[in-house]
Amino acid sequence: QVQLVESGGGLVKPGGSLRLSCAASGFAFSDYYMSWIRQAPGKGLEWLSSISSSGSNIYYADSMKGRFTISRDNAKSALYVQMNSLRVEDTAVYYCAREMSIRLAFDMWGQGTMVTVSS
Amino acid sequence: EIVLTQSPATLSLSPGERATLSCRASQSVRRYLAWYQQKPGQAPRLLIYDASNRATGIPARFSGSGSGTDFTLSISSLEPEDFAVYYCQQRSNWPPVWVFGGGTKVEIK
Repeated sequence: QVQLVESGGGLVKPGGSLRLSCAASGFAFSDYYMSWIRQAPGKGLEWLSSISSSGSNIYYADSMKGRFTISRDNAKSALYVQMNSLRVEDTAVYYCAREMSIRLAFDMWGQGTMVTVSS
Repeated sequence: EIVLTQSPATLSLSPGERATLSCRASQSVRRYLAWYQQKPGQAPRLLIYDASNRATGIPARFSGSGSGTDFTLSISSLEPEDFAVYYCQQRSNWPPVWVFGGGTKVEIK
């Protein structure tokens, strides 16, 4: 079954850290660029970071640089994001998404994992 | 950074009516614009890429048009399942930054 499944979300205190995972199945994970995108409660979509198919090229939204680190393990068909120094405003549903080959769009999304930052 | 502005914020229509959603870019994105549908509690779903190409499995009542800075998503005849929030999205060439519009909610009138 072709799918992305995120995990690792939960409740964390301000200043804490969390590592999210995204397990891919049903397609050649190593062929695709991947991204993390988040959505705060009742808000719109915000792109966070993307990583090339080999992992050699990484890009971040300016607001994420220095706190979030994206990585991948193609042998495990897994995508990760390490989130440090978390703030209340990082509370959101975090999605992993597959970048459509050649086309500038996300053609597959996970169901999302909720991260709540609160004391 | 390119900014995408969607209008209207909310569109109140009845089933069977035509919906026309707008997305305006702050500078030309050529035809590199995508549209997504998101229902409550669900992940977004790709509807349209490259401004006018329907994604796999998307019904023909959804169509996209435009180029440069002005784009439109049209739903020819609203079905009950079409009431949702719609986002436009583009990616800049360099650095590769992905941007979403603020969304348009299509609600039942």
